[in-house]
Amino acid sequence: ILNVEQSPQSLHVQEGDSTNFTCSFPSSNFYALHWYSWETAKSPEALFVMTLNGDEKKKGRISATLNTKEGYSYLYIKGSQPEDSATYLCALKETSGSRLTFGEGTQLTVNP
Amino acid sequence: GAGVSQSPRYKVAKRGQDVALRCDPISGHVSLFWYQQALGQGPEFLTYFQNEAQLDKSGLPSDRFFAERPEGSVSTLKIQRTQQEDSAVYLCASSLVDNQYEQYFGPGTRLTVT
Repeated sequence: ILNVEQSPQSLHVQEGDSTNFTCSFPSSNFYALHWYSWETAKSPEALFVMTLNGDEKKKGRISATLNTKEGYSYLYIKGSQPEDSATYLCALKETSGSRLTFGEGTQLTVNP
Repeated sequence: GAGVSQSPRYKVAKRGQDVALRCDPISGHVSLFWYQQALGQGPEFLTYFQNEAQLDKSGLPSDRFFAERPEGSVSTLKIQRTQQEDSAVYLCASSLVDNQYEQYFGPGTRLTVT
């Protein structure tokens, strides 16, 4: 069974705080690592697709890094805003198969 | 441009009823996926289509679950004789071409079996 793990499970921060969460995954058969943000009652929104070891990607105040050799990815949010409140999901795609295997998510709440 | 849409958004079914959940992928997307998200869990893969061909159905939890995509666009996930453990959010995703592109998700159908 493929195990994608995310930590922490939930996080409460104040507006303006910077924060980060972790996604760990088995490094064998790695193809790509996806990050999504999912607000309640909306569609999960794609943030990043990361494929290369050492990749760093940025989208506004959100950035992510990837280490495929040790099997982890970090998602960073700089200067959190209440609208960043969401569940952040990472998902692994392996070299074989088409499915994404998701972690359980990190639920972020940003208090104004 | 329209994203992935799903209907209904919410469905309450009595145990033993059959339900049908619809997914309209992004126009032109070849690949279509169904995932099930139980409360407190991450989404779990159910099945995958490339055009009208169901290439992987290994995630379907029982033979009560059936999915189809007869014309290679709209897909329906059918659950027969629903059980309480089927209560979950059912997510549909589509992608332009398998493997090379990200998957775009719909808002999901929240199924509650009473």
